Amino acid sequence: SQKIEQNSEALNIQEGKTATLTCNYTNYSPAYLQWYRQDPGRGPVFLLLIRENEKEKRKERLKVTFDTTLKQSLFHITASQPADSATYLCALDRGSGNTGKLIFGQGTTLQVKP
Amino acid sequence: ETGVTQSPTHLIKTRGQQVTLRCSSQSGHNTVSWYQQALGQGPQFIFQYYREEENGRGNFPPRFSGLQFPNYSSELNVNALELDDSALYLCASSLQGRNDEKLFFGSGTQLSVL
Repeated sequence: SQKIEQNSEALNIQEGKTATLTCNYTNYSPAYLQWYRQDPGRGPVFLLLIRENEKEKRKERLKVTFDTTLKQSLFHITASQPADSATYLCALDRGSGNTGKLIFGQGTTLQVKP
Repeated sequence: ETGVTQSPTHLIKTRGQQVTLRCSSQSGHNTVSWYQQALGQGPQFIFQYYREEENGRGNFPPRFSGLQFPNYSSELNVNALELDDSALYLCASSLQGRNDEKLFFGSGTQLSVL
């Protein structure tokens, strides 16, 4: 069955450093991959979407890469700030396109220390 | 804020009871998806509603059912509650047919089954 794995351990980094989060998937060839941010007690908030024919996508301090050969996505936050502390979720679409029916990883909690 | 509202925010029920959770989608969105998120896990897809019909279902038993209304709002009903149903229930709205479909989540309903 389709499976997504993210670093289960929390990631602790110092303010100003680059945080790198990993998302690996198996038994699937998704056309899209998405990243969401979730704060405690809140719903996930969409950050970035990357298509299978895109190697890299950027938005302000965020960068996502998508390697369909390795079946892996990397999510980078440069010049990290304490306000970036949250859980980050990667998600793949269950359908053949971008149907909105997502399979989520378990999330990686990022803690940025001042 | 995403414009997706869920009610109630918290709910306590006992095993065997029934519960109804409600969701108002973002203005202009015609699709509602429901997710269950257990503590420390990523959201799991329950089902999706589009044009008042179920449009895909995850690995959840029939005692999980839903409705979508003409104004695109939605309900999630769970019968014969079990202890394992304790979780955060998330509603997400989107616009079917867009090529970059992303989900807009509400803040969720925290359900505790005792």
